[in-house]
Amino acid sequence: GAGVSQSPRYKVAKRGQDVALRCDPISGHVSLFWYQQALGQGPEFLTYFQNEAQLDKSGLPSDRFFAERPEGSVSTLKIQRTQQEDSAVYLCASSSQSGQQNIQYFGAGTRLSVL
Amino acid sequence: SQKIEQNSEALNIQEGKTATLTCNYTNYSPAYLQWYRQDPGRGPVFLLLIRENEKEKRKERLKVTFDTTLKQSLFHITASQPADSATYLCALDAPKTGRRALTFGSGTRLQVQP
Repeated sequence: GAGVSQSPRYKVAKRGQDVALRCDPISGHVSLFWYQQALGQGPEFLTYFQNEAQLDKSGLPSDRFFAERPEGSVSTLKIQRTQQEDSAVYLCASSSQSGQQNIQYFGAGTRLSVL
Repeated sequence: SQKIEQNSEALNIQEGKTATLTCNYTNYSPAYLQWYRQDPGRGPVFLLLIRENEKEKRKERLKVTFDTTLKQSLFHITASQPADSATYLCALDAPKTGRRALTFGSGTRLQVQP
């Protein structure tokens, strides 16, 4: 597709359930980022992939969060044993590596509500 | 610690006026500063990028300034329109640190009244 696609758009989970959020980046984009956005706040970095390699996962809040990009295109963010504080919008962004500019193209996000 | 500040209160202006949004940062030396627009229920959309050695950048009705001494960027929308109403986010990019992720401010909500 022309843009970054995320699914599902909305996810309601009971506390303790596992969830998987999918990101389909712009075709050919080498870099892929996951961010978490709380209401009224800016996006907060979670993790970064260059092709299939996860080069930075310093923003993952706990070991319940896991991300993968096995073939260097589609990525999945998995949250195990969800807790209420995980409720947020999860944004995926992709970027080409032309020059040093790091312009990022975002998907619409997945809104996760943990009850 | 690193900190990015944007006006947390909404900015309300009349159609046709110039909107000016502020982004201040501390303990940071970004090579680039970016501005994004975010509408409700949507992801951020890139608007403008300015480099550390540039003072000003323009694109149509948008103008960005970058003062690395003051550690501040100003974002201007001239001849504002109701369609400009959205949240505007500034983002810092410091690739020399090895970090590729953007660091975002909390955003300023702009409301343009007809």
